[in-house]
Amino acid sequence: GAVVSQHPSRVICKSGTSVKIECRSLDFQATTMFWYRQFPKQSLMLMATSNEGSKATYEQGVEKDKFLINHASLTLSTLTVTSAHPEDSSFYICSASPGPEQFFGPGTRLTVL
Amino acid sequence: GIQVEQSPPDLILQEGANSTLRCNFSDSVNNLQWFHQNPWGQLINLFYIPSGTKQNGRLSATTVATERYSLLYISSSQTTDSGVYFCAVGSGGYNKLIFGAGTRLAVHP
Repeated sequence: GAVVSQHPSRVICKSGTSVKIECRSLDFQATTMFWYRQFPKQSLMLMATSNEGSKATYEQGVEKDKFLINHASLTLSTLTVTSAHPEDSSFYICSASPGPEQFFGPGTRLTVL
Repeated sequence: GIQVEQSPPDLILQEGANSTLRCNFSDSVNNLQWFHQNPWGQLINLFYIPSGTKQNGRLSATTVATERYSLLYISSSQTTDSGVYFCAVGSGGYNKLIFGAGTRLAVHP
């Protein structure tokens, strides 16, 4: 299967700071990547679709000014959580695909103090 | 939007038992995947199965697209099968997936 990586795997930050999370497709090119968020004991919720070379598409209720997405190349998408607050603490997971089947990164656990 | 319902929400098994997990969806789909989320949060791809039947070792899956449901079968369960099983579906373009709430499986020795 295709391999998707994320960095960092875990981050702890102070309230008010910004955090950047990277998602990379390691063995294929991806014009589209997806960002999901998962709270404890809940399912994955799609946040946004990241499009290479164009603006991201956000799902209803997701603040685009808070969650900045940049798809700079065919193998890299970044999610920046700006002015993070404790309620942004969550597990963030990206996915990408060389075809119809989606593959997921290992996730980034964000804790905002 | 499309709705995805999984049942049962929780399942407890003795090692060696068989189980069936169900996924119902509310509209036509062109993508359906089953995942196992391990204790570290990694989603493991089990099946890409928008229709038909597939088998991989002790696991198999069937999707009946016309009746809008999919089943995941686990046979001879092992403690390492414990975790959360998600069904996710997609429709239209871009391959984005909508997840069900999951089935939390605990297999005891």
